[in-house]
Amino acid sequence: SYVLTQPPSVSVAPGKTARITCGGNNIGSKSVHWHQQKPGQAPVLVIYYDSDRPSGIPERFSGSNSANTATLTISRVEAGDEADYYCQVWDNDSDCVVFGVGTKLTVL
Amino acid sequence: QVQLQESGPGLVKPSETLSLTCSVSGVSIRSTSHYWGWIRQPPGRGLEWIGSIYHSGNTYYSPSLKSRVTISIDASKNQFSLKLSSVTAADTAVYFCARLRGLDALDIWGQGTMVTVSS
Repeated sequence: SYVLTQPPSVSVAPGKTARITCGGNNIGSKSVHWHQQKPGQAPVLVIYYDSDRPSGIPERFSGSNSANTATLTISRVEAGDEADYYCQVWDNDSDCVVFGVGTKLTVL
Repeated sequence: QVQLQESGPGLVKPSETLSLTCSVSGVSIRSTSHYWGWIRQPPGRGLEWIGSIYHSGNTYYSPSLKSRVTISIDASKNQFSLKLSSVTAADTAVYFCARLRGLDALDIWGQGTMVTVSS
């Protein structure tokens, strides 16, 4: 089955830029979605179809996808961005939704 | 606005069947643009997709759970349901229902419900 690889943790100072990667074999050929999950809460979609933002998601959140890596970029990081972030795809070969293992973003 | 709400027992005995329902409001479950899905999250761990269903009844299941899972839809009640048979402690998790854009992005999530498997 398709595997998505994420770093376990990323740390960033407030006001700086955080980049969270999601690796997969030829992931650039798939649509990647990103979910934010704060402790005790349900996940929230923050980026879909590689780089689109749902309404209500700040412009500080952006995404890109090419070759074997997709990236979620959070500009001007705030304390409230501290959360777990999961990448997600639909794998046509296995007919499955696949999640990455998640990355814990810590705001220093 | 679109809302999803899970309901069902919070405690299930080992070897029995876990049953949950997701009630959808603000949109028809007959939407031709969306699938509806179940996802779970064991305590302290990541998200695991269980399966998805279309209003026609077409389903996709996780290969690791396929032998024990049934997802069904009741369009008259705007609900869809999950049944997971022969549960063990490893099935203890928060269970989320969600709406999917096509088969793809999970764009609306329920708040989740904790299910514990224990005698």
